[in-house]
Parts: sequence; structure tokens; C-alpha cells
Amino acid sequence: GAVVSQHPSRVICKSGTSVKIECRSLDFQATTMFWYRQFPKQSLMLMATSNEGSKATYEQGVEKDKFLINHASLTLSTLTVTSAHPEDSSFYICSARPDPTSGNEQFFGPGTRLTVL
Amino acid sequence: AQSVTQPDIHITVSEGASLELRCNYSYGATPYLFWYVQSPGQGLQLLLKYFSGDTLVQGIKGFEAEFKRSQSSFNLRKPSVHWSDAAEYFCAVATPEEYGNKLVFGAGTILRVKS
Repeated sequence: GAVVSQHPSRVICKSGTSVKIECRSLDFQATTMFWYRQFPKQSLMLMATSNEGSKATYEQGVEKDKFLINHASLTLSTLTVTSAHPEDSSFYICSARPDPTSGNEQFFGPGTRLTVL
Repeated sequence: AQSVTQPDIHITVSEGASLELRCNYSYGATPYLFWYVQSPGQGLQLLLKYFSGDTLVQGIKGFEAEFKRSQSSFNLRKPSVHWSDAAEYFCAVATPEEYGNKLVFGAGTILRVKS
């Protein structure tokens, strides 16, 4: 149980285009989903927290107009990188947390490798 | 703000040998502490966690970790490594107030297992 998927696993796009990454909780409902970014040889950095049906909360320094997050259902959150540039190339990881009353553990997706040419 | 240091970027051990991965944290009080493992194509999997109580924590896959308050450390150990343990390992902390909302990760340690 507690499986989180991400799609696509890998994407290459041209500079200036937008890319959408999906995060799904497959066997549980996630009231909260998190988006992380991982640079090579660095730790995962939390970008934003999204609660179903409300606006995402972004960490300091993360451009909310650049990284659009939508959490329209209890099993799906999307991250859209708008007008992507080479510096946005990174590994993006989502996690999902079930209803807090059932525990606070986050379950992680396998990540999406974004390469912007 | 809390921070996590994993001093070893890479570690190579022989199959069957013992393993210790180091983790140090910076936080004013005792945080919640976690070890995750990430294999290629897989999501981060929780190996074990420490909230309070016994400072020696047992996890899955034969791993254990010991919390040492005096050293602000939470090192991961395994007495006998298997080839399937080759992966990247992340230590993470959360404050009790933010647990469930904000995990702070170390940079990770890549474990290589040689036969």
C-alpha cells in the first residue's frame, strides 16, 4: 500500500515551453502533497505544499508563477513548470500524505527528471 | 533553522561487511529523525524513524540507527550488507511542530557494494 506515482519519469523540452508533471496517490487519498526539487549531489529541497482544494504554499525563494501547483483532487497534484529554462533542469519529486489522523508519514514518488534544452 | 549533514557522499563496502552511514543535525531541541533509501526508479522509502524513547531504533531490511543527543547524530548501521542494499540513503529531520509538513533532508550518501 501507500504507492505514489509520477508521470512522466523523464522529460526533455525546449527552452520557453511549459511542462506538466503529475503526482498520483494510487491507493490512498492524500489531503496534502509536497513537491521537492533535487539538484545533483544535493539534498531534496521542499518547493511547495499543496492541500486539496486550496492554494499551494510556496517555500521562500520559489517563484509561484514559475512553478504552478494544482491539487484538484485527493489523488492528484500537478506541477507545471512554465516557460522552462535550462536552469530549471532538475529532478522533481513529489510526496503525498494521507489524512493526518492516520499518521503523518509522507510517501514519495519515484521522481521526474526534467531537462530543458 | 534545522539542517542535516551527511559527511560522506560515497561509501563503498564489501558484501557481508558492516556498514555505518553518518548523519548529523543542527536543531535546538530533539527533532524527529528519519532515514530514507532511494533506489533508481523508486521513490524514497522510509527505513526507520525516531521520535522519542529508546535511542536505538530498528528499521526494515535489517537496518538500525542510534540517536546520540550529545553528538547530534543519528547514524545508520547494518551488520552485514547485501548487494541489494546499493542505493542512495538520505537522513532527514522534522521539528515536532512541523512533522508531516516539512522534512529537511541531508545531501545523501551513495552506497556501493562490491562483491
